[in-house]
Amino acid sequence: DAGVTQSPTHLIKTRGQQVTLRCSPKSGHDTVSWYQQALGQGPQFIFQYYEEEERQRGNFPDRFSGHQFPNYSSELNVNALLLGDSALYLCASSSGRRNNYGYTFGSGTRLTVV
Amino acid sequence: AQSVTQLGSHVSVSEGALVLLRCNYSSSVPPYLFWYVQYPNQGLQLLLKYTTGATLVKGINGFEAEFKKSETSFHLTKPSAHMSDAAEYFCAVTTGASGGSYIPTFGRGTSLIVHP
Repeated sequence: DAGVTQSPTHLIKTRGQQVTLRCSPKSGHDTVSWYQQALGQGPQFIFQYYEEEERQRGNFPDRFSGHQFPNYSSELNVNALLLGDSALYLCASSSGRRNNYGYTFGSGTRLTVV
Repeated sequence: AQSVTQLGSHVSVSEGALVLLRCNYSSSVPPYLFWYVQYPNQGLQLLLKYTTGATLVKGINGFEAEFKKSETSFHLTKPSAHMSDAAEYFCAVTTGASGGSYIPTFGRGTSLIVHP
């Protein structure tokens, strides 16, 4: 049973460019959350998607946007990249909006902005 | 609002010694608490969780944690460290939140170093 799959695993972009990261949730999960993990820090919540809608959002600018598809997979888009956007981006899936039983995380996409 | 404080960014132990990683939380309502482990270049893996009921929670790989409401703590322990336990450990808390969604807040992490 495949867990959470993220692509690509590594990415290098130039400041000002745009990037799209992809995530396929664990089988049976319908909710996808995205986190940004800077080096040496804990994951910071970006937003969560459920039923193809953004249900909750963390303290991130509008440059960060996302989408969820009917098959529950999700994309994270970041526009006008800044050097400070360099981080590990983690996708986590869960079942239902009111999930209290922990998330299943992917291995992440390492984004480097130069 | 909810928050998590992990005391000590690095903890170093000898193989076979007791592991103790500290986590204190802040929450105005009863919390749900989690410990995750992250190995290098990997995502987070759930170790254990407390939701309701028994306050001593057992997880994978021999880890356990105890919810102490009076101390607002959820410390992670393991009686005997193995080399393979070397990793980053994150404590997380959720509460009933706006939007009807339970979004975990993570601590900054504690790096566990195990010496032979």
